[in-house]
Amino acid sequence: GESVGLHLPTLSVQEGDNSIINCAYSNSASDYFIWYKQESGKGPQFIIDIRSNMDKRQGQRVTVLLNKTVKHLSLQIAATQPGDSAVYFCAENPFGNEKLTFGTGTRLTIIP
Amino acid sequence: DGGITQSPKYLFRKEGQNVTLSCEQNLNHDAMYWYRQDPGQGLRLIYYSQIVNDFQKGDIAEGYSVSREKKESFPLTVTSAQKNPTAFYLCASRQQGSSGANVLTFGAGSRLTVL
Repeated sequence: GESVGLHLPTLSVQEGDNSIINCAYSNSASDYFIWYKQESGKGPQFIIDIRSNMDKRQGQRVTVLLNKTVKHLSLQIAATQPGDSAVYFCAENPFGNEKLTFGTGTRLTIIP
Repeated sequence: DGGITQSPKYLFRKEGQNVTLSCEQNLNHDAMYWYRQDPGQGLRLIYYSQIVNDFQKGDIAEGYSVSREKKESFPLTVTSAQKNPTAFYLCASRQQGSSGANVLTFGAGSRLTVL
């Protein structure tokens, strides 16, 4: 079946360092991939998306890398700040499909 | 400001009671969604609606019902048939991201506890 999974459930990073959050997916038909950030007690917030015809996309302090050969997605956060502490979810979205499939999430903790 | 408003934020229910969670959006989005989130887990889709007066079951629709009488509103009823209703419920609406992805905008959530 289809699934989106994460390699590590928790990650602790020193403030100012870079962090990398990984995600594996199994549906080769997925055309779009999206990263969300969820702070405690709040709804998820959109961070960045990438289409399957790209292997890299950059935003403000974030970079998403897509490796379709091994069905792997990663989110890099540069110069982490305390406000980056949250749970990060990846989601996949096949073309023409209204539904997104979410992974279980990685909890990122920034150590001051 | 445009956004999604969910209410109530916290709700307590006795077993056997139905409860309705409100979701309103002023983003002019056509599609709306309801997800359930359990502790330490990802989001699971309950119902979604692409247009007014139409909705489809998601992956865990049993014990839930929805209506979509207005574009702005997509209320979710948790019925007494839902065997384990204690969870965090998230409503979302859809827009298209710059890459073409279906990007969801979420509300702040409603936490339901069954006593």
